[in-house]
Amino acid sequence: DAGVTQSPTHLIKTRGQQVTLRCSPKSGHDTVSWYQQALGQGPQFIFQYYEEEERQRGNFPDRFSGHQFPNYSSELNVNALLLGDSALYLCASSFSLRPYEQYFGPGTRLTVT
Amino acid sequence: SQELEQSPQSLIVQEGKNLTINCTSSKTLYGLYWYKQKYGEGLIFLMMLQKGGEEKSHEKITAKLDEKKQQSSLHITASQPSHAGIYLCGADDDNAGNMLTFGGGTRLMVKP
Repeated sequence: DAGVTQSPTHLIKTRGQQVTLRCSPKSGHDTVSWYQQALGQGPQFIFQYYEEEERQRGNFPDRFSGHQFPNYSSELNVNALLLGDSALYLCASSFSLRPYEQYFGPGTRLTVT
Repeated sequence: SQELEQSPQSLIVQEGKNLTINCTSSKTLYGLYWYKQKYGEGLIFLMMLQKGGEEKSHEKITAKLDEKKQQSSLHITASQPSHAGIYLCGADDDNAGNMLTFGGGTRLMVKP
């Protein structure tokens, strides 16, 4: 049973560019959440997708957007990258009827230069 | 949203020693999660506590939630090098498991 997978593993971008990160949830899961973890800090909630719609959003600017596909996989898009966007981006999936069981992927390390 | 404070921020212990990590919330906790993270990697779920006074154990790790549901502790007995990593507590912000707020983490190093 494949767990949560994320791609790419690492990414280097330049300020002002745009980036897309991808997440495939654990089999049987229909909800995907995205978190940003800056170096030395705990993860911060960005947003959650369920039934292809954004259900909850944390305190992140509109430069951060997402999408969920019919197969429940998800993308995180960040526009106009800033140096401060450098972080580990974590995807977590869960089943809507058991929301408390969140499984995290290995993350995508984004470096903005 | 609530804030979670973890203490200590970092910990170095000798293999075989016991240790405790604390997590304190500014508000009553609906659900308290403990995760472990290897440096730069994803989070591994350890335990979840919901009821005041609840205690759960898995192998040598025990987590407790106090009666007032504002503080949790994670205790490791007879630590091993495999216990090294970052321990994160997370709180259920909307009582529906949708949005977790995390503490800053406790970095544990176990010296053989």
